[in-house]
Amino acid sequence: ETGVTQSPTHLIKTRGQQVTLRCSSQSGHNTVSWYQQALGQGPQFIFQYYREEENGRGNFPPRFSGLQFPNYSSELNVNALELDDSALYLCASSENSPDTQYFGPGTRLTVL
Amino acid sequence: GENVEQHPSTLSVQEGDSAVIKCTYSDSASNYFPWYKQELGKRPQLIIDIRSNVGEKKDQRIAVTLNKTAKHFSLHITETQPEDSAVYFCAASDSGSARQLTFGSGTQLTVLP
Repeated sequence: ETGVTQSPTHLIKTRGQQVTLRCSSQSGHNTVSWYQQALGQGPQFIFQYYREEENGRGNFPPRFSGLQFPNYSSELNVNALELDDSALYLCASSENSPDTQYFGPGTRLTVL
Repeated sequence: GENVEQHPSTLSVQEGDSAVIKCTYSDSASNYFPWYKQELGKRPQLIIDIRSNVGEKKDQRIAVTLNKTAKHFSLHITETQPEDSAVYFCAASDSGSARQLTFGSGTQLTVLP
């Protein structure tokens, strides 16, 4: 098991609400990437944070935003939730950007 | 952007047989190719990776081969065991600063006892 942790494990929200997901990177890792994994599909890259700066972004709208803190933990914020946002949200940490990525257990988000 | 295709989507093998999963990528600038194993309800677990300056890498029963000219790479599992049953994802990342991973659609491997 990796040292990457995520909270909460599960979350249920309604359409239009906002949500914050959290990720603690593995010790010594300064880079966090976020992915969305819909049921039965591979993870899709949302964005990456390296030393507290956004370092790359996938094809996700601006209502997906993030932060990285001085201890390299990270948050993913999603505003104006839509039904299609229901998915497993994974964070992955790496020692540097670029480098091998290790995933956390994910947060299962359900939007009703 | 990068596009990764993975085949087959499902694969059943008898215990002890070999399993091969194949992926192709579109971006010739991609230079890092990890493979992840994901059991039901669990995190993707890195099982092996290969960089573009290497043609083959092996770790016990698992090996990965890379053909840069054809832009495809494969995962080989020998002497399969029931605990190898899981979904396997290939991925590719380019040389950009973010090392963004683009994943294939996954292969459900079932090892029959």
